Amino acid sequence: GEDVEQSLFLSVREGDSSVINCTYTDSSSTYLYWYKQEPGAGLQLLTYIFSNMDMKQDQRLTVLLNKKDKHLSLRIADTQTGDSAIYFCAETRNQGGKLIFGQGTELSVKP
Amino acid sequence: DAGVIQSPRHEVTEMGQEVTLRCKPISGHNSLFWYRQTMMRGLELLIYFNNNVPIDDSGMPEDRFSAKMPNASFSTLKIQPSEPRDSAVYFCASSLQAGSETQYFGPGTRLLVL
Repeated sequence: GEDVEQSLFLSVREGDSSVINCTYTDSSSTYLYWYKQEPGAGLQLLTYIFSNMDMKQDQRLTVLLNKKDKHLSLRIADTQTGDSAIYFCAETRNQGGKLIFGQGTELSVKP
Repeated sequence: DAGVIQSPRHEVTEMGQEVTLRCKPISGHNSLFWYRQTMMRGLELLIYFNNNVPIDDSGMPEDRFSAKMPNASFSTLKIQPSEPRDSAVYFCASSLQAGSETQYFGPGTRLLVL
């Protein structure tokens, strides 16, 4: 079956690193995504990783993929108050365009 | 470049009324997706189109929901008759093609059915 799970809340202090975790069940997932949703707005693609990669870094963002454990994480370095949002993990496979989303993790950054 | 455009941004209607949500995908994108977001159920895919053809509508909740894509630059999601439980944010997204391509989301339509 298809299932993507995330913890619902994370609270960090400004300047600390944030790590948002995601687990998925479909071993045939080929692409895994992180989307950000700010209050009252649509989803914004942050980054994505192919399933044959272990890590991808993009400025303050680091994505780690453990394919054996079907675990994906997003690390935000030097977290800022502007990073406060809901972060969605999503996965897809080659066939079809269906994205399976997690429930979203609400990140709260305290000054 | 303009992103995905949705209208209206907000809609308040009474139970039983017909609601039509509109979406203009990014020019050149061949795939279009309709999602619904609620607190209870999170983000759900309702239907998606590839080259204007509906590919997977298994997420459409009931016959009251219908979606069309008459051409590559326009799609509608219609609810008739609407019910209070349809209240949600409805997102449209588009991608170059279905499969592994990144989806770009519109700002959403906030629907409230009284």
